[in-house]
Amino acid sequence: DIQMTQSTSSLSASVGDRVTITCRASQSISTYLNWYQQKAGRAPKLLIYAASSLQSGVPSRFSGSGSGTDFTLTISSLQPEDFATYYCQQSSSPPLTFGGGTKVEIK
Amino acid sequence: EVQLVESGGGLVQPGGSLRLSCAASGFTFTIYPMTWVRQAPGEGLEWVSSLSGSGGRTYYADSVKGRFTISRDNSQNTLYLQMNSLRAEDTAVYYCAKSGDSSSWFGRWFDPWGQGTRVTVSS
Repeated sequence: DIQMTQSTSSLSASVGDRVTITCRASQSISTYLNWYQQKAGRAPKLLIYAASSLQSGVPSRFSGSGSGTDFTLTISSLQPEDFATYYCQQSSSPPLTFGGGTKVEIK
Repeated sequence: EVQLVESGGGLVQPGGSLRLSCAASGFTFTIYPMTWVRQAPGEGLEWVSSLSGSGGRTYYADSVKGRFTISRDNSQNTLYLQMNSLRAEDTAVYYCAKSGDSSSWFGRWFDPWGQGTRVTVSS
C-alpha cells in the first residue's frame, strides 16, 4: 500500500501570508495526487486534482505542484475563510490513501 | 446540481449491522465510480471502499474487508454500504463521494461529497 505523509500536522499563519503544505508518497505516484479542504463540521471539498489542476470554482490563490513522491499545496495569500484542515490523497492505485492532514490555524 | 445525500447511520451495538445509503442526483449515476470515506471523531479521513460505475469492480480497505459490502442500484441512483460485524473502531462519520472523472474504474478524485452520516458502535 502507498503511504501518504503530511509532515506538518498544524501550522499558524496570518491573513495575507503565503502558506505551503507538503505531502510525500511512499513510492512514486506520478501526478495522481489530490488536495481537499475540510472545515470543522463540514464535508471535505476538492481543491486540486491531478497534482496541479484547479477544481472549478476554487479561488486561484490555491495552487498545487509536484510529481513522483513530493507534492505541495500553496495558498498565495491566506484569507480568513482558508483556515481549515487540508488533506492530500493519492489515486495511483487502491487503497486510495489520505495523508494525515495539516490544520491551518490563525496566528 | 450534483447532490449526494447519505442516510442510515445511527447507534448500533458491537457485532451488529447497519446499511448506509447515498442517494445521488444531478448527474448520470451509472457512468461514475463511487466511494465511501469515513472519519473517526477527531481523526483524519480514511478511504473505505470504491465501486465502479457498473458495480462490477470493488475494492476495500483492509480494516473493513470481509465485513463491509459496497453496492449500487443504478436504476435508483443509490449507493449502499452494508456494514456487518461492527466494532467500536468503526465509529465515524461516513461520507459518500462521486468520482470526479470516469477514466479509471475506482475514480481518480472525489467531488462532490455528501454531508455524511454518523455511525456509533457502542454497547
